[in-house]
Amino acid sequence: GAVVSQHPSWVICKSGTSVKIECRSLDFQATTMFWYRQFPKQSLMLMATSNEGSKATYEQGVEKDKFLINHASLTLSTLTVTSAHPEDSSFYICSASPPTSSGQFSTQYFGPGTRLTVL
Amino acid sequence: SQQGEEDPQALSIQEGENATMNCSYKTSINNLQWYRQNSGRGLVHLILIRSNEREKHSGRLRVTLDTSKKSSSLLITASRAADTASYFCAIYGGGGGADGLTFGKGTHLIIQP
Repeated sequence: GAVVSQHPSWVICKSGTSVKIECRSLDFQATTMFWYRQFPKQSLMLMATSNEGSKATYEQGVEKDKFLINHASLTLSTLTVTSAHPEDSSFYICSASPPTSSGQFSTQYFGPGTRLTVL
Repeated sequence: SQQGEEDPQALSIQEGENATMNCSYKTSINNLQWYRQNSGRGLVHLILIRSNEREKHSGRLRVTLDTSKKSSSLLITASRAADTASYFCAIYGGGGGADGLTFGKGTHLIIQP
């Protein structure tokens, strides 16, 4: 089956530093990847949609200058949390979708998540 | 907001009993999916039901969809301790191509041995 990995699994950093999280589709090419954030005991909230070779589309309320997304290849998207603060501590989950015909639903395959703790 | 709303927020039952979780949403959908998440872990896709389907089965799971009421239910039969997890419904609104999913708030299910 389709496998999506994330690295690192967890990270602890100091306030003010930047943290990069990688999302890889291991056995398929993903034209689109999604980044979600989940605070403790809450649901997943879509942060942004990342399309290979183009700028990411951010959801309302998500700061694009703070959460930098790069989707440089069909198997890799990165999320960089810049100048991290304790309130950015969360569980970040990516998902990846293989190409699909226009108008057709494309299954999302989820990564295992990255737990970020900002001290 | 298109976010799904699950109820109950938490459910505790005895092993062997059936567990039912409900999800309601506000707008039209292309499909609705159910996921499981063990504490602090990633998501496991359970089942997808399309807007033109009314019921779907997968092992001990049964999902129903009522688009007129904008609601779905997930039934887990003969529950096991290993079913203890949080369960989320997720809505795909459609519009073609790859859109993100909108997740409900989740139901935390505890199966007591």
